[in-house]
Amino acid sequence: DVKVTQSSRYLVKRTGEKVFLECVQDMDHENMFWYRQDPGLGLRLIYFSYDVKMKEKGDIPEGYSVSREKKERFSLILESASTNQTSMYLCASSFDRNTIYFGEGSWLTVV
Amino acid sequence: AQSVAQPEDQVNVAEGNPLTVKCTYSVSGNPYLFWYVQYPNRGLQFLLKYITGDNLVKGSYGFEAEFNKSQTSFHLKKPSALVSDSALYFCAVRDMNGANNLFFGTGTRLTVIP
Repeated sequence: DVKVTQSSRYLVKRTGEKVFLECVQDMDHENMFWYRQDPGLGLRLIYFSYDVKMKEKGDIPEGYSVSREKKERFSLILESASTNQTSMYLCASSFDRNTIYFGEGSWLTVV
Repeated sequence: AQSVAQPEDQVNVAEGNPLTVKCTYSVSGNPYLFWYVQYPNRGLQFLLKYITGDNLVKGSYGFEAEFNKSQTSFHLKKPSALVSDSALYFCAVRDMNGANNLFFGTGTRLTVIP
């Protein structure tokens, strides 16, 4: 089975802090994704990566950056956290950008 | 551009009854269509997909979905609902002819009443 692991399930951070969300997949997938999920808005794509050191903006990249130094690891970075970034963050990976495998999610609260 | 509509935020059904969760889509080319399920405090799990071929697609946990090109729909169905089916269901679409990623609907919360 594909396993996508998000290192932190629940985080509470202060406004202005730098936040790192880490994600690791074990299936040698080329493609990795970061989504945020908010009630009534569904899933919105923040960034994705189709190869090591490659990244592409999704639908809502503002306030976020990403890093993919190794194939199995894709990190989401909030340079200066704000309260409107309080959300559930979902990492995912895929072989072909069709069937996507998700991690368990990271609940981030910014106070 | 691609889009997905899940017209119902909430669907309630009695245990043992058939269930339907609706999805319509819009893409410029031919669609890839997907259903995912999310249980409380968990990530999304893949249920089924339509890529090509038979319009009726069978997936995990007894779910199925029918691709209807003329109505641009991909409704999720199950003949007999279980309480354990209660969850949040997401429809997703990708334009087969584009380099776009999956685009998700806003989700439908299914509650199966014992």
